[in-house]
Amino acid sequence: DIQMTQSPSSVSASVGDRVTITCRASHDISAWLAWYQQMPGKAPKLLIYGASSLQSGVPLRFSGSGSGTEFTLTISSLQPEDFGTYSCQQTINFPFTFGPGTKVDIK
Amino acid sequence: EVQLVESGGGLVEPGGSLRLSCAASGFTFSTYSMDWVRQAPGKGLEWVSSITSSSSYTYYADSVKGRFTISRDNARNSLFLQMNSLRAEDTAVYYCASELGSHAFDIWGQGTMVTVSS
Repeated sequence: DIQMTQSPSSVSASVGDRVTITCRASHDISAWLAWYQQMPGKAPKLLIYGASSLQSGVPLRFSGSGSGTEFTLTISSLQPEDFGTYSCQQTINFPFTFGPGTKVDIK
Repeated sequence: EVQLVESGGGLVEPGGSLRLSCAASGFTFSTYSMDWVRQAPGKGLEWVSSITSSSSYTYYADSVKGRFTISRDNARNSLFLQMNSLRAEDTAVYYCASELGSHAFDIWGQGTMVTVSS
C-alpha cells in the first residue's frame, strides 16, 4: 500500500498569511493526488485534483503543485473561512490512502 | 441539486450486521464509480470500498475485506454497503462519495454514524 504523510500536523496563522502544507507519498504517484478541506462535523470538500487542478467553485487562493512523491497545497491569503483540517489522498492505486491531515487554525 | 444522502447507521453489537444506503440525485449516477469512506471519532479519513459504474469491479480495504460488500442499483440511483461481522474498530462516520475521472471524490454525502458496542 502507498503511505501518505503530511506536514505540519497543525498550523496557526493570521488572516492574510500564506499557508503551505506538504504531502509526501511512499511511492511515485505521478500527479494522482487530491486535496480536501474538512470542517468539524462536516463532510470533506474536494479542493484540488490531479495534484494541481482546482475543483469548480473553489477560490483561486487555493493552489496545488508537485508530482511523484512530494506535493504542496498553498493558500495564498488565508481567510477566516479556511479553518479546518486539510487531507491529501493518492488516487493512483487501491487502497486510495489518505494523509493524516493538517489542522489549520486562524489566529 | 447534486446530492448524496446516506442512511442506515446506528448502534449494533459486535458480530452484528448493518446495511448502509446512499441515495443519489442531481447527477447521472449510473456513469460514476462510487466509494465508501469512513472516519473514526477523532481520526483521519479511511477509504473503505469502491464500485465501478456498471458494478463490474469492486475493491475493498484489507480491514473490511470478506466482511463488507459494496453494491449499487443504477435504476434506483442507490449505493449500498452491507457490513457483517462488525467490530468495535468499525465504529465511524461512513460517507458515500462519487469519483471524478481522476478518482478524486467530488461529491460527498453528509455521513451516517455506525457505532459497534455491547
